[in-house]
Amino acid sequence: AQSVTQLGSHVSVSEGALVLLRCNYSSSVPPYLFWYVQYPNQGLQLLLKYTTGATLVKGINGFEAEFKKSETSFHLTKPSAHMSDAAEYFCAVAGNTPLVFGKGTRLSVIA
Amino acid sequence: DAGVIQSPRHEVTEMGQEVTLRCKPISGHNSLFWYRQTMMRGLELLIYFNNNVPIDDSGMPEDRFSAKMPNASFSTLKIQPSEPRDSAVYFCASSTTGVEDTQYFGPGTRLTVL
Repeated sequence: AQSVTQLGSHVSVSEGALVLLRCNYSSSVPPYLFWYVQYPNQGLQLLLKYTTGATLVKGINGFEAEFKKSETSFHLTKPSAHMSDAAEYFCAVAGNTPLVFGKGTRLSVIA
Repeated sequence: DAGVIQSPRHEVTEMGQEVTLRCKPISGHNSLFWYRQTMMRGLELLIYFNNNVPIDDSGMPEDRFSAKMPNASFSTLKIQPSEPRDSAVYFCASSTTGVEDTQYFGPGTRLTVL
């Protein structure tokens, strides 16, 4: 079985500041890890994913995430926030079953 | 490719009425997923299909909900009778077969049951 915990339902950052969205997972098998983004009134879009290989994964729009097995974490970062990054972000894990999503973190970007 | 197509985009109905939501997955994708999103419960997997066969429907709330996939290019989610607590955004997603494969989401159907 898999589960995901996203720490912080709402994160607020200033434009140009570092974005850090936290995700911890639980999985009884080697996990596949995903970050999705949802803009208002839209479906979810893939930002990035980790399957195997390099533990630092780069995605779209300047986001990246690092798989840390020892910490069971897959935190999402972006060096400099932009107003257009304001959205809901979902971490998800798959393993022997399809995706299990976290409850989401709403990112607000302040000008 | 047009992506995952869902219809209708918005549905307003009265309690007790039958509601049918429709989904056309991306051509060539073998897996199809139905999700429900609410503020209270977040994103919940209702059911998923592989090669048109239902694999896991444990997320379907109750017998009022049913889903079908008569062919590789079409799926329906039906609620009969509908209740106000069914109000939510319903998403369809598709992917190739592996669990590690990216799921591509449709734009969703916003359902309001009065």
